[in-house]
Amino acid sequence: AQSVTQLDSHVSVSEGTPVLLRCNYSSSYSPSLFWYVQHPNKGLQLLLKYTSAATLVKGINGFEAEFKKSETSFHLTKPSAHMSDAAEYFCVVSGGFKTIFGAGTRLFVKA
Amino acid sequence: EAGVVQSPRYKIIEKKQPVAFWCNPISGHNTLYWYRQNLGQGPELLIRYENEEAVDDSQLPKDRFSAERLKGVDSTLKIQPAELGDSAVYLCASSSGGGTPNIQYFGAGTRLSVL
Repeated sequence: AQSVTQLDSHVSVSEGTPVLLRCNYSSSYSPSLFWYVQHPNKGLQLLLKYTSAATLVKGINGFEAEFKKSETSFHLTKPSAHMSDAAEYFCVVSGGFKTIFGAGTRLFVKA
Repeated sequence: EAGVVQSPRYKIIEKKQPVAFWCNPISGHNTLYWYRQNLGQGPELLIRYENEEAVDDSQLPKDRFSAERLKGVDSTLKIQPAELGDSAVYLCASSSGGGTPNIQYFGAGTRLSVL
């Protein structure tokens, strides 16, 4: 069985400050983990993926995530938020031909 | 390269009416997915195709939902009859299906409103 929990439904940061979006997962398999972003009225876009190689994964637009097996976490970070980062972010676990999406975290960026 | 194409983008119907959504995946992608995304929630898988075969339809409400991918390329998802609770965004995704990770590429979705 697999599950994914995004610990915050909303996160608000000021432009130029760090971003942290939290994700915990459980899986009976060695999972693949992803972060997707969804801008209003647009399709989901892949930010980054973890596939059992390096535990620190770098993605597009300055985002990165660290896989911590002992904590079953895969938190998404960015050193400095930009206004264009405002969107919905989804943590995804995939394994055993099943893909499970988290409920999403909406990121607000204040000027 | 064209991405995943879905149509229509928006659909408004009255309850008990039928509705159909169309998806054209990325060329060469063998795996096609249909998801439903309710407001404020993450997408939930309805059905997954490997070529023309539905390999996972366990979450598809088969009393009113049906899907087909006859030639293993584009796909249609149908609801008949629609209920108020079917209002959601219906997303189509495709992947190459080979190797790991299973990166899915999504279309923009069809927003369905059932009145």
